[in-house]
Amino acid sequence: DAGVIQSPRHEVTEMGQEVTLRCKPISGHNSLFWYRQTMMRGLELLIYFNNNVPIDDSGMPEDRFSAKMPNASFSTLKIQPSEPRDSAVYFCASGWTPSYNEQFFGPGTRLTVL
Amino acid sequence: AQTVTQSQPEMSVQEAETVTLSCTYDTSENNYYLFWYKQPPSRQMILVIRQEAYKQQNATENRFSVNFQKAAKSFSLKISDSQLGDTAMYFCAFMTGGANSKLTFGKGITLSVRP
Repeated sequence: DAGVIQSPRHEVTEMGQEVTLRCKPISGHNSLFWYRQTMMRGLELLIYFNNNVPIDDSGMPEDRFSAKMPNASFSTLKIQPSEPRDSAVYFCASGWTPSYNEQFFGPGTRLTVL
Repeated sequence: AQTVTQSQPEMSVQEAETVTLSCTYDTSENNYYLFWYKQPPSRQMILVIRQEAYKQQNATENRFSVNFQKAAKSFSLKISDSQLGDTAMYFCAFMTGGANSKLTFGKGITLSVRP
């Protein structure tokens, strides 16, 4: 198994541009999580899906952020327009409900917004 | 709301020695789960060990063990025979029971193993 796949691994963009982060969960997992990691705020859960349905998006910082999961094997996190304070490492994780089973993390996407 | 506190920002240990990383949490729930995750310089988040709150026995995984004190809401990680590859950030995390619960992470602690 290839594990959770995230792309791109690094993204550098300019303020105001749209950014799309992609995630392919482990085959067979039915829950997917998007996290953001910064030095100041640590690791924060942004949104998570169960069976492709968003369950809790209370961690999404503002309307500039949106996430979709059109099918069981793909999810996107979009930031439009991006701002310098969005610079962070974004992790995708997948698991099998109930969620207290292990969550498997992807390698993360390091986003830099200039 | 649940909170997880890791008060030590960083620690250092000599190779082959034992180190304990502290974690406290706050919750009114009775059914929950606790985790320690490791994040090496590669950034990959790796599950180290998991504890179910209903179990009195402390979890153990090879050189890693926990000291779970439910009444004190304390969940420390002990690493025995420290190895250079243990150098990483370690995150304590909490999750309530139930199908749609989510992980709450502490701020993390940076552990350096000295040769």
